[in-house]
Amino acid sequence: GAGVSQSPSNKVTEKGKDVELRCDPISGHTALYWYRQSLGQGLEFLIYFQGNSAPDKSGLPSDRFSAERTGGSVSTLTIQRTQQEDSAVYLCASSLALAGGSSYEQYFGPGTRLTVT
Amino acid sequence: RKEVEQDPGPFNVPEGATVAFNCTYSNSASQSFFWYRQDCRKEPKLLMSVYSSGNEDGRFTAQLNRASQYISLLIRDSKLSDSATYLCVVKRTGGSYIPTFGRGTSLIVHP
Repeated sequence: GAGVSQSPSNKVTEKGKDVELRCDPISGHTALYWYRQSLGQGLEFLIYFQGNSAPDKSGLPSDRFSAERTGGSVSTLTIQRTQQEDSAVYLCASSLALAGGSSYEQYFGPGTRLTVT
Repeated sequence: RKEVEQDPGPFNVPEGATVAFNCTYSNSASQSFFWYRQDCRKEPKLLMSVYSSGNEDGRFTAQLNRASQYISLLIRDSKLSDSATYLCVVKRTGGSYIPTFGRGTSLIVHP
């Protein structure tokens, strides 16, 4: 079946512009995660959705970052007034998630490579 | 102390070698454990879950040591295609569903 998809695959933008990154999770996956990964670095957690709500936004690096999810499916990560330090690969992952602490593996999308010039 | 720690490597081994990585975690409430593989400029992909009793998948063996709070990954008969970064993932029971990723261990298998 279809995996997690992300668009665009690459985005080059000028400093100060706003960008929107899209994630389409695997059908039926209620949990959706956004991470970013700078070159040679580990994954940095940004935000997590359970359905349409985001119980944990602790990883968002600044108020320039926001995310939403509608219909329990597609999610959009928006970065306003981009800065050069925002350059990274932004990865989205989805998983099944149940109340009570059960954990399922995450499936990642191919990522969006963002370059801020 | 970081919640999940891994030796970044790189581990440089010849084809056919056996290599093992460890990953330590600091939160004793951790309940779910996974190994992911990430190829250069690609997204992470699940390699295997780690079960309490240990588990094996072909040339790969994963083990959990709760007393010492670490998980391990053993790769036997290394192939060139095993060259990648191996990420350890740990999740606490209950509460947040956010898994914690280690920064990864780099493996290079050479001819």
